[in-house]
Amino acid sequence: EIVLTQSPGTLSLSPGERVTLSCRASQSVSSSYLAWYQQKPGQAPRLLIYGASSRATGIPDRFSASGSGTDFTLTISRLEPEDFAVYYCQQYGSSPRYTFGQGTKLEIK
Amino acid sequence: EVQPVESGGGLVQPGGSLRLSCAASGLTFRTYEMNWVRQAPGKGLEWVSYISGSGTTMSYADSVKGRFTISRDNARDSLYLQMNTLRAEDTAVYYCARGATLYSLDLWGQGTLVTVST
Repeated sequence: EIVLTQSPGTLSLSPGERVTLSCRASQSVSSSYLAWYQQKPGQAPRLLIYGASSRATGIPDRFSASGSGTDFTLTISRLEPEDFAVYYCQQYGSSPRYTFGQGTKLEIK
Repeated sequence: EVQPVESGGGLVQPGGSLRLSCAASGLTFRTYEMNWVRQAPGKGLEWVSYISGSGTTMSYADSVKGRFTISRDNARDSLYLQMNTLRAEDTAVYYCARGATLYSLDLWGQGTLVTVST
């Protein structure tokens, strides 16, 4: 089973700042099958990125992502107040079919 | 797009059963793979189960294998999760989520809370 480890666990930042979140896999992941989600309190997760670097429909271009193999990143170029949330990476494999990282919480400084 | 709507959650005693439903009308339901994903209070996301568009292929997380059964009724645009022999550790919000491009999950319901407790 592939384990996804996200770092850091929590980040305290201010609106306008740039942030990069990390997702590291315990073994190589097909970059085609790496996704990122945003979740706000009391809400369902929202797909941000699929295929490691493609933005989902309606996602602003301040969100970008890259990576391959075992190391993947999500970058928010300029934080907006609505971006403070928890972010999860996810990979698709054989067993289990989907694996999520433990999440990174972005909080307002 | 229309968001799926889960129902059927509630309070159940350990060892009990519950059946969750997910209504997904307007989503061309039968063409999509569907999943159940859960989130324990204050915790992260955990994939629970998958079903193919035709309903012929299913898979489960080890934590629920043998206890939970996923099914779908494409005529009713509905997804189900039969949960038996429930444990305290099954307490979570259960989301239905649509499988999409490159095995991402692009459409999620708002979730239904299952609480397993005496």
